[in-house]
Amino acid sequence: NAGVTQTPKFQVLKTGQSMTLQCAQDMNHNSMYWYRQDPGMGLRLIYYSASEGTTDKGEVPNGYNVSRLNKREFSLRLESAAPSQTSVYFCASLGFPKRIRLGYEQYFGPGTRLTVT
Amino acid sequence: LAKTTQPISMDSYEGQEVNITCSHNNIATNDYITWYQQFPSQGPRFIIQGYKTKVTNEVASLFIPADRKSSTLSLPRVSLSDTAVYYCLVGPNYGQNFVFGPGTRLSVLP
Repeated sequence: NAGVTQTPKFQVLKTGQSMTLQCAQDMNHNSMYWYRQDPGMGLRLIYYSASEGTTDKGEVPNGYNVSRLNKREFSLRLESAAPSQTSVYFCASLGFPKRIRLGYEQYFGPGTRLTVT
Repeated sequence: LAKTTQPISMDSYEGQEVNITCSHNNIATNDYITWYQQFPSQGPRFIIQGYKTKVTNEVASLFIPADRKSSTLSLPRVSLSDTAVYYCLVGPNYGQNFVFGPGTRLSVLP
């Protein structure tokens, strides 16, 4: 059980280049999320997917697109990277572990550190 | 979405109990209160969650007053390894648009 995995771990892009960040979870969770975290700041939600086949915008969706390929995978695409998108990107999924009565928990991946020059 | 307010930073010494309070004045009836811990270069990790009164697990306690407009995360006898950023998050269990604030940066000193 690997939890939430993200690839790549690091990436450097030039302004205008495109790339896709990959995320996968093996916990059979319905909901998945993409966040960005700028230095010294909290996490900001980019997009989320409540279930396979659905996606919705979060707080900062501009400049990004997402695809919920199947229940396991949720990818984030930068079509034309800009220096303002330099950040650490975290993927997460939402589960309902039995140890939290009536509650839920977000499981986070290790992050992708992206630099746009 | 219920916004939260936490202290930006706190200092403590090893062995002390640390209490971090979060204000969430417009919490909704179906909102849960969740705390996460984040170490540098890692994703956040779940610490504890509650709806009302007190919740305790192996690492922390969460105190929630009757009006639920605030909550306090209590870390007993902190060690250097508890140095991290702690986030308070409020939202329903079906809620999808989670909002993380800037968190509280806890520094544990020897």
